[in-house]
Amino acid sequence: AQSVTQPDARVTVSEGASLQLRCKYSYSATPYLFWYVQYPRQGLQMLLKYYSGDPVVQGVNGFEAEFSKSDSSFHLRKASVHWSDSAVYFCAVSAGKVVFGTGTRLQVSP
Amino acid sequence: GGIITQTPKFLIGQEGQKLTLKCQQNFNHDTMYWYRQDSGKGLRLIYYSITENDLQKGDLSEGYDASREKKSSFSLTVTSAQKNEMAVFLCASSMWGSQNTLYFGAGTRLSVL
Repeated sequence: AQSVTQPDARVTVSEGASLQLRCKYSYSATPYLFWYVQYPRQGLQMLLKYYSGDPVVQGVNGFEAEFSKSDSSFHLRKASVHWSDSAVYFCAVSAGKVVFGTGTRLQVSP
Repeated sequence: GGIITQTPKFLIGQEGQKLTLKCQQNFNHDTMYWYRQDSGKGLRLIYYSITENDLQKGDLSEGYDASREKKSSFSLTVTSAQKNEMAVFLCASSMWGSQNTLYFGAGTRLSVL
């Protein structure tokens, strides 16, 4: 069965700073990997996904993620965060069913 | 585009009560999901349904029933609400296949007195 670990429950960064949110997965093969974002009182929205090819995938709003098979990781990055990026970010693994991590709450300070 | 509508938005129940949550989607998606979201625990899969009249148990199915009588709707029943329980229940849908994106509703917030 697949599993996902997001080790950081909360991350605070200053506006304009760079960001990395960590995600590690466990699965016997390469699964489909996703990042979703949840804004307050809303459902989740997909930011980006990966299955094969270039290990760096681009998403919406300047987000990108890098897949590492050797490290079983799929970390999310952004070069310069904006206050509107404050939200909860979930990493997910899809292999039959979709399993989500516990989420990382991002707070962008002015 | 499409939309997923969850009703009600807020649900207050009594201990031991049976409570039903409803979800409708107009994406014409095959697969629908119910997740429970608790603070600090992420999303946990309760039930999913690959097609009409199909039901698959997730990791958290005990204490819940589900029903998929139409392709566009998926209901979840809390069989006996637990005192002081508070959680958000999220419904999602997708085309069948691991590569497909899940589309979520805004959630039903449950409080049990």
